[in-house]
Amino acid sequence: DIQMTQSPSSLSASVGDRVTITCRASQSISVYLNWYQQKPGKAPHLLIYAASYLQNGVPSRFSGSGSGTDFTLTISSLQPEDFATYYCQEGYSMPYTFGQGTKLEIK
Amino acid sequence: QVQLQESGPALVKPSETLSLTCTVSGDSIGSDYWSWIRQPPGKGLEWIGYTYYSGTTDYNPSLKSRVTISVDTSRNEFSLRLTSVTAADTAVYYCARDMSSSGGIDFDYWGQGILVTVSS
Repeated sequence: DIQMTQSPSSLSASVGDRVTITCRASQSISVYLNWYQQKPGKAPHLLIYAASYLQNGVPSRFSGSGSGTDFTLTISSLQPEDFATYYCQEGYSMPYTFGQGTKLEIK
Repeated sequence: QVQLQESGPALVKPSETLSLTCTVSGDSIGSDYWSWIRQPPGKGLEWIGYTYYSGTTDYNPSLKSRVTISVDTSRNEFSLRLTSVTAADTAVYYCARDMSSSGGIDFDYWGQGILVTVSS
């Protein structure tokens, strides 16, 4: 199985900050990396697919980059509604593993 | 607008079988791949498996011996069966659609989730 490791596991930031979350795959997954946002009690919500493509309706302050084994999710200017947990997920091979999550909290 | 809705028992006894159904509206189940994903309380996400409308399935190897996912195109729904459950199977269970647009597996629509507790 491909292992997905996110860092950091938690992060405190302020409204307006630029934030970057990283995700590393244990082997190359080309560009088959997705990012989700999850708020308490809600289902995950797809933000970025295929490493860098913004899902319809997702604000442009979210962006993704990377290929191979190293990927990043960047939020250019944090808004109050962005405080949530973020997961990466590899879409390359079964069992399509998720990262352990990064909890983004208000400083 | 595509909507998915999970249904089934919220409580299952140890050693019994967990059975859930996902009803899809706004899209034909006769396209795309449809997955089950679970999340134990306070923990991360685990892909369980998927089905295609043709009945093709694939499962997470860690659960493969206990899982069956089936599809009913006439009812536009798909189902999950997980046998011999233990407390470790307590989780919120989500159904989700694979967007199928990137060449990889990515989940663009999700149900709201259903908490299933395994307890006697």
